[in-house]
Amino acid sequence: DAEITQSPRHKITETGRQVTLACHQTWNHNNMFWYRQDLGHGLRLIHYSYGVQDTNKGEVSDGYSVSRSNTEDLPLTLESAASSQTSVYFCASSSQGLGEQYFGPGTRLTVT
Amino acid sequence: LAKTTQPISMDSYEGQEVNITCSHNNIATNDYITWYQQFPSQGPRFIIQGYKTKVTNEVASLFIPADRKSSTLSLPRVSLSDTAVYYCLVGGLSGGYNKLIFGAGTRLAVHP
Repeated sequence: DAEITQSPRHKITETGRQVTLACHQTWNHNNMFWYRQDLGHGLRLIHYSYGVQDTNKGEVSDGYSVSRSNTEDLPLTLESAASSQTSVYFCASSSQGLGEQYFGPGTRLTVT
Repeated sequence: LAKTTQPISMDSYEGQEVNITCSHNNIATNDYITWYQQFPSQGPRFIIQGYKTKVTNEVASLFIPADRKSSTLSLPRVSLSDTAVYYCLVGGLSGGYNKLIFGAGTRLAVHP
């Protein structure tokens, strides 16, 4: 069955370190998204991609970057982790337009 | 950007119908309304999407008045397993996905 996976599921890192969170989908979807979820804020869009070599900034993109070298993967990189980036990160994909987004299980990141 | 407002929490009992209303006064012409459900430690799951009037699927109905400034998610005969957070999402294709805004969500508790 097609799925979307994230790794690692849990990560503890130190302030200033570079961290990369992986997202892999086997739906063959063109659109992929990264969100962060914090108490009281719901989900906020970080970056999104319409397809290979395409990336776009979302609502809270500062301090984050993404790259899309193939259809299946959209890794999220925190260039220099900050305590304010402690959060739960969700990756999602969709086939077209504003259709149903399929979410991954999430990565809980703690920056100490 | 079309911001959404939902009740923070709601309580219900098994077998009752639950209606959750979302306000989106600044909804744009091209915006769709989408609802997601989220259980603890899981990614959100798509419930239903609509543009105007009424949409129904096997799990819920979505009512959208003519002015589209609000929408109501209706869950018929809820069970304990419907206890979750429900998000109203408003966004459109014009302007890209940076217009996708998740609300803070409504925490629904279903009691025996």
